Amino acid sequence: DGGITQSPKYLFRKEGQNVTLSCEQNLNHDAMYWYRQDPGQGLRLIYYSQIVNDFQKGDIAEGYSVSREKKESFPLTVTSAQKNPTAFYLCASSRTSSSSYEQYFGPGTRLTVT
Amino acid sequence: SQKIEQNSEALNIQEGKTATLTCNYTNYSPAYLQWYRQDPGRGPVFLLLIRENEKEKRKERLKVTFDTTLKQSLFHITASQPADSATYLCALVNRLAFGKGNQVVVIP
Repeated sequence: DGGITQSPKYLFRKEGQNVTLSCEQNLNHDAMYWYRQDPGQGLRLIYYSQIVNDFQKGDIAEGYSVSREKKESFPLTVTSAQKNPTAFYLCASSRTSSSSYEQYFGPGTRLTVT
Repeated sequence: SQKIEQNSEALNIQEGKTATLTCNYTNYSPAYLQWYRQDPGRGPVFLLLIRENEKEKRKERLKVTFDTTLKQSLFHITASQPADSATYLCALVNRLAFGKGNQVVVIP
């Protein structure tokens, strides 16, 4: 059963703690992305990676870090430097050769920081 | 900076009618524009891509138009059904930028 998995679905943390969100795909896609979605707002790009061991900052990278050591995995760390970390986080992947440039999204992780 | 605008008000529509959503963009001339569907608490699902040289694209009951002069795309759901109730997002592929989405509620 191919797709993208994100875990956990709900995550609760205390302010000041770093937290890592998991994203795994078995679609053999080269590119992976992290977005943040807040109520009433669209998806905002945090980081993306088009190849293993390489990634680029998106529009709102401050307070976040990523790694891409394996093609299948693109974990996102929300650091204590992120001022407002509570949000719905979405991971996506795509084939760089796709004619539709379709992004496949995971089910999301809802992070609550108190 | 890049701006994508979608109507923030929910569109309530009677079952069987056509729902029409608008996506406007500024400061960029995209070669491609995508539409996604998002259900509450879930990730978006890709629906359609339209290229700048395509005026119209259809998929089943969905139709998308792309007017690069007006910098606008229209998304139509014909013969709408309650199962079409969701939020629909437009996206500029080259910029990895998404609109806020437009909620559609189809009333039986």
